[in-house]
Amino acid sequence: DQQVKQNSPSLSVQEGRISILNCDYTNSMFDYFLWYKKYPAEGPTFLISISSIKDKNEDGRFTVFLNKSAKHLSLHIVPSQPGDSAVYFCAAGVGGYALNFGKGTSLLVTP
Amino acid sequence: KAGVTQTPRYLIKTRGQQVTLSCSPISGHRSVSWYQQTPGQGLQFLFEYFSETQRNKGNFPGRFSGRQFSNSRSEMNVSTLELGDSALYLCASGYRDYPGELFFGEGSRLTVL
Repeated sequence: DQQVKQNSPSLSVQEGRISILNCDYTNSMFDYFLWYKKYPAEGPTFLISISSIKDKNEDGRFTVFLNKSAKHLSLHIVPSQPGDSAVYFCAAGVGGYALNFGKGTSLLVTP
Repeated sequence: KAGVTQTPRYLIKTRGQQVTLSCSPISGHRSVSWYQQTPGQGLQFLFEYFSETQRNKGNFPGRFSGRQFSNSRSEMNVSTLELGDSALYLCASGYRDYPGELFFGEGSRLTVL
């Protein structure tokens, strides 16, 4: 059973606008959440993380929001750039280990 | 600093055969995890090793096994291959003190005919 779900397989956004990628999880034991980015023919690369004691974490243009009551997290990219076009995976785990990944959202940023 | 290296990058096997995939982690990383990526299921956790000990295991049949050597290099083995085992197998290493921040290799693409 999929404990981490990314319900939007794809998203298209114009350059300069905000990209919002969503993720839902079912396991209330998860206490560490991450986003990874993957380009074709490469392995995923770590983007940003958040622990359950926080509800927001920022790193430059990337912000992750966590809503524990809704078991929902989102990744905001502002402003979006063409180089952000990639597949984004949401991941969650207990203590950050044995991560459960979503199926990914393919983001396309158009000029 | 060299990244995570996986070999072979591509391989083709037939049903019933077995396969061994190799992973060399980033120098200094003692945690190695394996994931299976398929179009339908996304990334699924196989197992994690730390200092030669399996610390976590995903929900895969016993045909999937792994090990870690004293130099942190890891291998995974799949026996009695099935068509459904066709996938990209990703290895990731990390400092276990930094949970979740894994560094992935480019993967080994296995095709089972």
